[in-house]
Amino acid sequence: AQRVTQPEKLLSVFKGAPVELKCNYSYSGSPELFWYVQYSRQRLQLLLRHISRESIKGFTADLNKGETSFHLKKPFAQEEDSAMYYCAPDNNNDMRFGAGTRLTVKP
Amino acid sequence: GAVVSQHPSWVICKSGTSVKIECRSLDFQATTMFWYRQFPKQSLMLMATSNEGSKATYEQGVEKDKFLINHASLTLSTLTVTSAHPEDSSFYICSVELAGGTDTQYFGPGTRLTVL
Repeated sequence: AQRVTQPEKLLSVFKGAPVELKCNYSYSGSPELFWYVQYSRQRLQLLLRHISRESIKGFTADLNKGETSFHLKKPFAQEEDSAMYYCAPDNNNDMRFGAGTRLTVKP
Repeated sequence: GAVVSQHPSWVICKSGTSVKIECRSLDFQATTMFWYRQFPKQSLMLMATSNEGSKATYEQGVEKDKFLINHASLTLSTLTVTSAHPEDSSFYICSVELAGGTDTQYFGPGTRLTVL
């Protein structure tokens, strides 16, 4: 069964500290991988997708096919990064969302 | 976490017919539900925000007469694709937000619509 897991529901770091939001998936084939973010009182928006290999707002995500992981990282967290983050693998237009991780960056 | 179901999980229909997709929150009451669609190889696109007991708020470029949304109860929202055409073929996903404005969304498993 296709499954995506974000093991941490809550993650809290101090400003300037590195942050990593974990995402593991269990899919057949080679899914395309997305990270979405929702800031407080705003709509869900795309943060980054694996295929574009872009760094958005300082975030990067490396696909590790061996570990079937797509962890989201940022070397120096900022307070404005506080939000809900969702990992979403997409296997041939069949997208599933993780339960989300709420990141809080403290001053 | 909350459980959200969608029905059907996939549907194939002829051009010109209407298709109804249901989104249910199984274990909590949801005042707000969201409808998204995803075209192949593209990211999710918000279509509309559905609020229980009131009219849905549609995103720019989404035809409200084409995509009818009904949120008649706190556990059910429906999206009806009227007079479907092949270009409406897509993956439709709903999500629900818990009452209280927690900003946490719970996503349904999606419905794949194919219009022949």
